[in-house]
Order: sequence, then structure tokens, then C-alpha cells
Amino acid sequence: GENVGLHLPTLSVQEGDNSIINCAYSNSASDYFIWYKQESGKGPQFIIDIRSNMDKRQGQRVTVLLNKTVKHLSLQIAATQPGDSAVYFCAENHDYGGATNKLIFGTGTLLAVQP
Amino acid sequence: KAGVTQTPRYLIKTRGQQVTLSCSPISGHRSVSWYQQTPGQGLQFLFEYFSETQRNKGNFPGRFSGRQFSNSRSEMNVSTLELGDSALYLCASRQNTEAFFGQGTRLTVV
Repeated sequence: GENVGLHLPTLSVQEGDNSIINCAYSNSASDYFIWYKQESGKGPQFIIDIRSNMDKRQGQRVTVLLNKTVKHLSLQIAATQPGDSAVYFCAENHDYGGATNKLIFGTGTLLAVQP
Repeated sequence: KAGVTQTPRYLIKTRGQQVTLSCSPISGHRSVSWYQQTPGQGLQFLFEYFSETQRNKGNFPGRFSGRQFSNSRSEMNVSTLELGDSALYLCASRQNTEAFFGQGTRLTVV
């Protein structure tokens, strides 16, 4: 069946440190992956995405790594700031650019940034 | 450009009632999806609409239904509400690959 899960439900880091949030997925047919950030009382906010033909993609202070061999996805946040405190979700789609908008979400990781 | 707008933001209903939630996608976006978010089950896909047609459906009972209008606005309906339907209902619109979410409607069933 389809499943996207997270290894760590809670991650606590010091301000200024780098954060790494991990995600495992089970559907080898998935070809598009997204990381979302959700703050309290808000809907998920897009952070960064990656297609299955890539293994790394960088954004502003964030990097997503994809290891298809072990079906593993990670989000790295550089110089973590208090404003990064939120729940982070990975999501997968197995119809990139196609007809479906169906996303399968992981369970989420709470990132707590300590000042 | 306005984001995805969901109304109402909060709603309290009693068991057995029905409810209708509304979602206005980003202008130009034709795909609208709905998700249910609960602490126990996380974010779960309900259904997706494109050009007024449902093209994907999640594993929810028939009490959950939706529709999309010609202007791409979408509504979802839950009939015969149960306590377990209490959740944050999220709508997402998409034009290409990136899905943008609204702030959600918090439904509480008492």
C-alpha cells in the first residue's frame, strides 16, 4: 500500500544549528516529492519540491535530498531560526505534471527551535 | 494574487447534521483537492476536482461528497455528521505541480 512516514516525531534544535528532518516512503512509483511547513492555525505552506530524476535540490536555506535506493527523503534547514518552528510534512505524488493532484502525506515532524 | 480562500474558518455542528464547506482556489487554478487533518490520522486525501469533474477519490465513506463549479470554486459536504468527523478540512489548488493550501475550516462536531 501507499505510505509515507517520518522517523522522528519531534526534533529540538538550537537556534543557528542545522536541522535535518527525515521521511521514508514506500511507493517506488512516486515521482514527485514535496516538503510542507505548517504553523499553528495555518494550512501547509510549500517549502521545496524534488522530482524523482534528481537526488538533490537547494532553495533558500533549505536542501532536499532524495535517495530512491532506500526510498528516503530528507529536508535540511541551514542556520535554523525561531521562525522555522513548525510541523514539517513530506508528501508524495506519483503523477508528476499529470492529471492528479493527490498527495500522500507523512505523519509530520514537529521542529522546535530553542533560542 | 489572492491565495486559496476557505469559508467558514470555524464551524460547530451537532451529530446527525450536515455541513457544507467552501473553497475558492487561486485565480486560474482549475484543480482543487480536499484533505482532512486530524491528530490521529494526519493529513488524508478526500477527493480532487478538475474542470467540474471528480477525478480522484480517497478512502472516505459516501457521507463525504463534493463538487466544483464552472468558476473552479469547490464545495464539500458531509452528511449525517459523526463525532469523528471533527477535523481541520483543507483545500488545495494547483495549476501545474505545486499545490497551494488554504488555511482550512475547523469543524467541531458535538
